[in-house]
Amino acid sequence: DIVMTQSPDSLAVSLGERTTINCKSSQSVLSDSNNKNYLAWYQQKPGQPPKLLIHWASTRESGVPDRFSGSGSGTDFSLTISSLQAEDVAVYYCQQYYSSPLTFGGGTKVQIK
Amino acid sequence: QVQVVQSGAEVKKPGASVKVSCRASGYTFSSYAMHWVRQAPGQGLEWMAWINAGNGDTRFSQTFHGRVTVSADTSASTAYMELSSLRPEDTAIYYCAKWATVTGPGAFDIWGQGTMVTVSS
Repeated sequence: DIVMTQSPDSLAVSLGERTTINCKSSQSVLSDSNNKNYLAWYQQKPGQPPKLLIHWASTRESGVPDRFSGSGSGTDFSLTISSLQAEDVAVYYCQQYYSSPLTFGGGTKVQIK
Repeated sequence: QVQVVQSGAEVKKPGASVKVSCRASGYTFSSYAMHWVRQAPGQGLEWMAWINAGNGDTRFSQTFHGRVTVSADTSASTAYMELSSLRPEDTAIYYCAKWATVTGPGAFDIWGQGTMVTVSS
């Protein structure tokens, strides 16, 4: 199984500040056949299901604000929020869909400082 | 619009089974796989299984040791997940989630609202 490790577990950020969440996979999730990274990021607010933000490591889902961006390749990935807004308070999860079982990181809780 | 709507909360006794439904609308149900993910209270996300709604192919997490069954009724655009031999630690919110891509693996672009399953004697 591919283990997804996120860091940090939680962070507190001032409004308008930039923040980065990291995700490391125990094996590469980069496909040799299509040169795509099978990595997604989700946002989950309290009492709600997860919401897809980023897939293929860096492709923003339709309707997602452009302050959210994803980067990385192979085994190391990041989700960056360029200017934190109050509505971004949530838990963020990375997920690999390269191989079964599909696995998620443990989550990173983002709060306002 | 594209959405998936799940059945309501369930309370079960240990050893019983639970079957959760997920009704899709706004897209061609048989063209996309449907996944099942659970989240224990205060915990992270755990993938359970998926079903190719078109041909019925399934794949499961070994964590559930054969306790989970997934099925799909294309005439009703509805997917089902049944978990048997329930234990208190199966208490969780169970989500269905649609694969974003028609062919091959993809992220989960549409999620159901979740179904709370409580296992208690």
